[in-house]
Amino acid sequence: DVQLVESGGGFVQSGGSMTLSCTASGFAFSTSAMTWVRQTAGKGLQWVAAITGSGGATYYADSVKGRFTISRDNSKNTLFLQANSLTTEDTALYYCARDLRTTVTFFDLWGQGALVTVSS
Amino acid sequence: EIVLTQSPATLSLSPGERATLSCRASQSVGSYLAWYQQKPGQAPRLLIHDASTRATGIPARFSGSGSGTDFILTISSLEPEDFAVYYCQQRTNWPREITFGQGTRLEIK
Repeated sequence: DVQLVESGGGFVQSGGSMTLSCTASGFAFSTSAMTWVRQTAGKGLQWVAAITGSGGATYYADSVKGRFTISRDNSKNTLFLQANSLTTEDTALYYCARDLRTTVTFFDLWGQGALVTVSS
Repeated sequence: EIVLTQSPATLSLSPGERATLSCRASQSVGSYLAWYQQKPGQAPRLLIHDASTRATGIPARFSGSGSGTDFILTISSLEPEDFAVYYCQQRTNWPREITFGQGTRLEIK
């Protein structure tokens, strides 16, 4: 099956860190740009970060730049999001998604999401 | 940052009716606009990309139009499964940025 499965969500205290993983199957992961998008009830969908297929280029939303790091291990078909200095504003459902093209454009395959709750 | 404004916030229609959803960008995005459908408890699903191209497997009753700052998603004849929240999304090349609209809830009248 073509799918993305996130893991690593949970509860973390404000100022803490968390790493999310996204395991891909059923498609050519190493040639696919990938992205993280988060969703909250109050702010809707918010793009977080993206990475090209090779991992050679990364892009971040201003709200997470300097705190979050996106990376990938193509040998394990896995995407990561390392999140540091977390605040309550980072509480959200985090989705990984596959890009339709090799750059950051639109997203045609999504995981089921991983819930991150940051407590004060 | 480019802001996408969707209208209306909520649209109440009956099955079989035509739905017209709007997305306006605060500055031109060319044709770099997509539409997604999201049902409760599910991830978003790509419907339309590049303003008017249907994604793989999307029924022909969904169509997109527009360019620059004004875009429309049309559902020609609503099916019961089409009642959901719809989001538009744009991308800019430099700086590399993705933004989503706040969503339109399509509900059964």
